[in-house]
Amino acid sequence: SQQGEEDPQALSIQEGENATMNCSYKTSINNLQWYRQNSGRGLVHLILIRSNEREKHSGRLRVTLDTSKKSSSLLITASRAADTASYFCATDANGDYKLSFGAGTTVTVRA
Amino acid sequence: GAGVSQSPSNKVTEKGKDVELRCDPISGHTALYWYRQRLGQGLEFLIYFQGNSAPDKSGLPSDRFSAERTGESVSTLTIQRTQQEDSAVYLCASSLVVGGTHEQYFGPGTRLTVT
Repeated sequence: SQQGEEDPQALSIQEGENATMNCSYKTSINNLQWYRQNSGRGLVHLILIRSNEREKHSGRLRVTLDTSKKSSSLLITASRAADTASYFCATDANGDYKLSFGAGTTVTVRA
Repeated sequence: GAGVSQSPSNKVTEKGKDVELRCDPISGHTALYWYRQRLGQGLEFLIYFQGNSAPDKSGLPSDRFSAERTGESVSTLTIQRTQQEDSAVYLCASSLVVGGTHEQYFGPGTRLTVT
């Protein structure tokens, strides 16, 4: 069953704008990860945030985690056409190795 | 270094035939995972291998699905008597396990189409 659920399902923005997507989950987690998928193939790991962290940055990416609300957000700043992809959050319930993925947010960056 | 590789990249098969999908993990990664992704959906966990431990097969959808791994090397996922609902992208991932964290590196996937 899917633990993580992303919102919105789809997002269309102009190049240079910021994109924000959210992830909600149901059980306690050890960490939460965000992945990007281009053209329905392999996933690329973007960032991992541990349950005792509240915010993390990596380049143009900013991830927040609120364990009290069981939610996370991914912000992509100054978007580029190459950011067009599907973005998934994945959680490991209680440190389990089985990552649970949501259905993803499809982001389209218009030139 | 080399990433996770999978073969074939695409496979079209007739309903009822058996298929074998291959995954070569990143060298040194002790953990290996198989996932299935249906069109427009997230990933479904299928099976997990970790070192010499017994694999976790709890995600395999039916007894037509099986997987093997040779040591900490190549893994094969076999689907017997394929059905149309097996059509999906099958993704393999590998990872080190550090401090209980499984940061997974994915292969490009095998797109399986059952006609």
